[in-house]
Amino acid sequence: AQSVTQPDIHITVSEGASLELRCNYSYGATPYLFWYVQSPGQGLQLLLKYFSGDTLVQGIKGFEAEFKRSQSSFNLRKPSVHWSDAAEYFCAVGVMEYGNKLVFGAGTILRVKS
Amino acid sequence: KAGVTQTPRYLIKTRGQQVTLSCSPISGHRSVSWYQQTPGQGLQFLFEYFSETQRNKGNFPGRFSGRQFSNSRSEMNVSTLELGDSALYLCASSFGPPGNEQFFGPGTRLTVL
Repeated sequence: AQSVTQPDIHITVSEGASLELRCNYSYGATPYLFWYVQSPGQGLQLLLKYFSGDTLVQGIKGFEAEFKRSQSSFNLRKPSVHWSDAAEYFCAVGVMEYGNKLVFGAGTILRVKS
Repeated sequence: KAGVTQTPRYLIKTRGQQVTLSCSPISGHRSVSWYQQTPGQGLQFLFEYFSETQRNKGNFPGRFSGRQFSNSRSEMNVSTLELGDSALYLCASSFGPPGNEQFFGPGTRLTVL
């Protein structure tokens, strides 16, 4: 069965510190992947996506992610976290055979301490 | 360019009633997907519509249904509401081919009493 794992439910980092959020997937086919961010009571905002090509992708708000096929991972990174980055982050995976259906991880709540 | 809009934003219903939620995708987008978000189950895929046809369906009971109109606007309907249907319902809009960016609306918060 297809699955997406975000191992960290909560992460706390200091403002200005670097950040890495982990995402692992289990799929039989080549996936396409997204990272989304959600503030409380809001919808999901797309940060970046990987479909093919360069495995290091850049997104909005200074985020980047690296697709590693050998490790079935798509980790999100940011070199310097700002207090406004506090939110919940979701990794989502799809495969071409299932159209635009996405399977989401459980999410990682990011807390930023000043 | 306007984003994805969902109406209503908040809804309170009682058990046994039915509800219809609406989603207007970004102009030019032909695919609309629906998701249910709950604290216990997280984000779960309900169904996807593309060019007025259901292209994919998740593992939800038949009480959950949807449709898409020729202008790509989509509605989802939940009949015979249960307490467990209380959730944030999100729709996502995309051009259509898999792998394209999917943009989400703000959601409809449904509370079933």
